[in-house]
Amino acid sequence: GAGVSQTPSNKVTEKGKYVELRCDPISGHTALYWYRQSLGQGPEFLIYFQGTGAADDSGLPNDRFFAVRPEGSVSTLKIQRTERGDSAVYLCASSQSTEPYGYTFGSGTRLTVV
Amino acid sequence: AQSVTQLDSQVPVFEEAPVELRCNYSSSVSVYLFWYVQYPNQGLQLLLKYLSGSTLVKGINGFEAEFNKSQTSFHLRKPSVHISDTAEYFCAVSAGNAGKSTFGDGTTLTVKP
Repeated sequence: GAGVSQTPSNKVTEKGKYVELRCDPISGHTALYWYRQSLGQGPEFLIYFQGTGAADDSGLPNDRFFAVRPEGSVSTLKIQRTERGDSAVYLCASSQSTEPYGYTFGSGTRLTVV
Repeated sequence: AQSVTQLDSQVPVFEEAPVELRCNYSSSVSVYLFWYVQYPNQGLQLLLKYLSGSTLVKGINGFEAEFNKSQTSFHLRKPSVHISDTAEYFCAVSAGNAGKSTFGDGTTLTVKP
């Protein structure tokens, strides 16, 4: 596609529920990144993929968070047993490789846990 | 590990005035530096980047930034701002080919008529 697409744009869920956030990167971009942005802060790294494999998942806060990219394109960020502290904007970005070209970001998914 | 400090959380400025948004970083290895802009209700957009070579880099919309290794800074400047430059600006650093970037907490630039 022309840009990085994230769905849904907004998600409200109850505490304890499971959610999936989807990212469709720019066609041909091999590297895909997930970041989380809380109010008043900059994006915080979660995980990045090179192709189908997670090259670095050191930013995932705990084992409730998991992400997959089974075919090297679309990625899904999965959050189990959501907590109110998970409320944030989840950003996806892609780039041609892990070389420092800079990212193209999607518009994000605003997750609210009530 | 690396970190980024954006020294001003908010910068108000009048239209057509010059502006400088300050960014300092720390890293134990060579770095690549970026500025991103986020306009209201939009996603982050790459403004400019420093990879190597000339320390003065030019970006979109008339912005430029200067890499200063001795002061570990990468300040963003524009000689004359417009109302449309009102946005949140983020400085980011990436170490080597690690892929991931570390972002600052952002500077809100408000341009007033």
